[in-house]
Amino acid sequence: GAGVSQSPSNKVTEKGKDVELRCDPISGHTALYWYRQSLGQGLEFLIYFQGNSAPDKSGLPSDRFSAERTGGSVSTLTIQRTQQEDSAVYLCASRAGGRDTEAFFGQGTRLTVV
Amino acid sequence: GESVGLHLPTLSVQEGDNSIINCAYSNSASDYFIWYKQESGKGPQFIIDIRSNMDKRQGQRVTVLLNKTVKHLSLQIAATQPGDSAVYFCAESTMNYGGSQGNLIFGKGTKLSVKP
Repeated sequence: GAGVSQSPSNKVTEKGKDVELRCDPISGHTALYWYRQSLGQGLEFLIYFQGNSAPDKSGLPSDRFSAERTGGSVSTLTIQRTQQEDSAVYLCASRAGGRDTEAFFGQGTRLTVV
Repeated sequence: GESVGLHLPTLSVQEGDNSIINCAYSNSASDYFIWYKQESGKGPQFIIDIRSNMDKRQGQRVTVLLNKTVKHLSLQIAATQPGDSAVYFCAESTMNYGGSQGNLIFGKGTKLSVKP
């Protein structure tokens, strides 16, 4: 399809394990965003990539969180040594270049840390 | 009426009534604003946007109003339907120096509940 794709859709992991969440943005979109959404809460900004610029990592909650975007396309969000408070839905969005365009979201990855 | 609970504030309306959802944004330099609708178990979906050089924009059954003086956005939904039940978020954005897309920051969200 032509939308933003995230995988896996659900992930259950044991406390202390590392996890990788994947986002395939819409082809050609230069901006890519990661957000975290806890149950019944709003969207917490984590990190955003814009073209070849250095990513804005100001929203990452700790150094256990990191993200990469390879070749200006696919992005991976990695959480090391997962904790129970990391349980949430992780949403990815992408935006086209140019002025004033909306972001398109994937369906999210629901992460449960047990 | 509107209430603020432990999580998202909730607005309850009767089917057929008009709904008004409010949002305060934080950055006076923001120049582009978007409303999103999020249904349970899904990612947010675009509803309508507005640029900072406008104060009103209309879509199909929806109107967005922007008041830059007090940094306030509102979303008006006419003739609210049960299918409008969802969580609504506003988002603000800026352009980077050089014209590329800047960050996209979301407001807290409001849960709209439509009673048949």
